[in-house]
Amino acid sequence: EVQLVESGGGLIKPGGSLRLSCAASGFTFSKAWMSWVRQAPGKGLEWVAIIRHDGGETKYVDSVKGRFTVSRDNAKNSLYLQISSLRAEDTAVYYCGRDAGWGAIDIWGLGTTVTVSS
Amino acid sequence: DVVLTQSPLSLPVTLGQPASISCRSSQSLIYTDGNTHLHWFQQRPGQSPRRLIYKVSNRDSGVPDRFSGSGSGTDFTLKISRVEAEDVGVYYCTQGTQWPYTFGQGTKLEI
Repeated sequence: EVQLVESGGGLIKPGGSLRLSCAASGFTFSKAWMSWVRQAPGKGLEWVAIIRHDGGETKYVDSVKGRFTVSRDNAKNSLYLQISSLRAEDTAVYYCGRDAGWGAIDIWGLGTTVTVSS
Repeated sequence: DVVLTQSPLSLPVTLGQPASISCRSSQSLIYTDGNTHLHWFQQRPGQSPRRLIYKVSNRDSGVPDRFSGSGSGTDFTLKISRVEAEDVGVYYCTQGTQWPYTFGQGTKLEI
C-alpha cells in the first residue's frame, strides 16, 4: 500500500526545536521529490520545503529559511524536517507529500501536529 | 511570489447543481517547458488534501468525471457538473511554476 506516515509533532515552547519524520512505503522513495506542507489551525495550506530525490537540492519558503532543514535517508525510506527557533506562528499540522512534479503532490500523509506555546 | 486568488471563498450549492471555482494568478503559470503547473486539491473535513486535477485539466485516477479543470495563462477554473454530498470540503488551487509554490486561499463548498 502506498502511504506516508508522519511523526514527531508535539507541544513545544517558543524557541525550541523538533524533528519531524515521514516514513514512506509502497513506492520507490529514492526516485521521488518530496515536500512538506503545513496548515495552521483553521487556515489554508502553505508550502514549507521541497527536496530533490537524491537530497542534492532543497528549497524553503522565506518564513522558515535558516530555521527549518529538510533532509532524507533513502536507505530508510524516510523524510525529515528539523524545525528550530520555533515561533507561535509555526503552530500547524505538518504534512509530507510525494511531489509528482512541480507541486503536483499525489500522495499525502495524515499529518503531524506541532503546537508552539509557552 | 505568485499570488493565487480564488473566488468565491464560500460556495453554497444545491445537490445536483453545478459549481464553479475560479483561480487567478498574479502572473502567467506557463513554465519554460511549455507546461502549466496549476493543480487542484480537495480537502474534506478532517482529512488530508487529495489531488483532483494536475496541470490544469488532467483528472486523477479515481476522481469522478463530474470534476473538470480548464484555463490557461493566469485564469483557471474547477467545475463540478453535479454536486454530490461527498464533495463538501475546501478546494485549493496551487501553482508549481515558480518557487515558492503557493496555494490559493481555499474555497469552502457546502450544501
